Amino acid sequence: GAGVSQTPSNKVTEKGKYVELRCDPISGHTALYWYRQSLGQGPEFLIYFQGTGAADDSGLPNDRFFAVRPEGSVSTLKIQRTERGDSAVYLCASSWGGTGELFFGEGSRLTVL
Amino acid sequence: AQKITQTQPGMFVQEKEAVTLDCTYDTSDPSYGLFWYKQPSSGEMIFLIYQGSYDQQNATEGRYSLNFQKARKSANLVISASQLGDSAMYFCAMSFNNNDMRFGAGTRLTVKP
Repeated sequence: GAGVSQTPSNKVTEKGKYVELRCDPISGHTALYWYRQSLGQGPEFLIYFQGTGAADDSGLPNDRFFAVRPEGSVSTLKIQRTERGDSAVYLCASSWGGTGELFFGEGSRLTVL
Repeated sequence: AQKITQTQPGMFVQEKEAVTLDCTYDTSDPSYGLFWYKQPSSGEMIFLIYQGSYDQQNATEGRYSLNFQKARKSANLVISASQLGDSAMYFCAMSFNNNDMRFGAGTRLTVKP
């Protein structure tokens, strides 16, 4: 499709498990962003890629969170030893890297039991 | 540090009237962009309007206009002739430092018939 694709759309896991969330941006978009959104809150910044490198990873809450974008397109957000507080919708967005708007995926809803 | 502040957790407006949603920001970057997004209950993020820090005129897009007051560091969204379909969460966002992007906490707008 032409939009930002995120998989899975829903993920239920148990506390302590490892989770991977995938984002496939719009073709040609060099900038890719990950945000976390809890119910009724604004998107909380996690990490921003420009090409293959993380231009800003200051939003990653701790070392259980890690993200990669090895070929400058698809990105994977990895969460180790999940905790109940990690439950949220994880939003991915991409842009062409200028001052253009972000295009968002539909999000991956993570529930940690 | 970059910061976006939306001080109105919730707003009500009568159908067909205008409403202003407040947004203030803080940045030391001379070049930045200001965005507004709408998030209906379906969860998708919809881009509404953009204002560049060097733009002389306030941005307008249909019923949306951005009241940009640079000296006061405010970028309020004005929605004219409110419609029931305007009921949603509204987020102000700022891009800075090579397209890094942060969001405010949001304002929930309810349009009353």
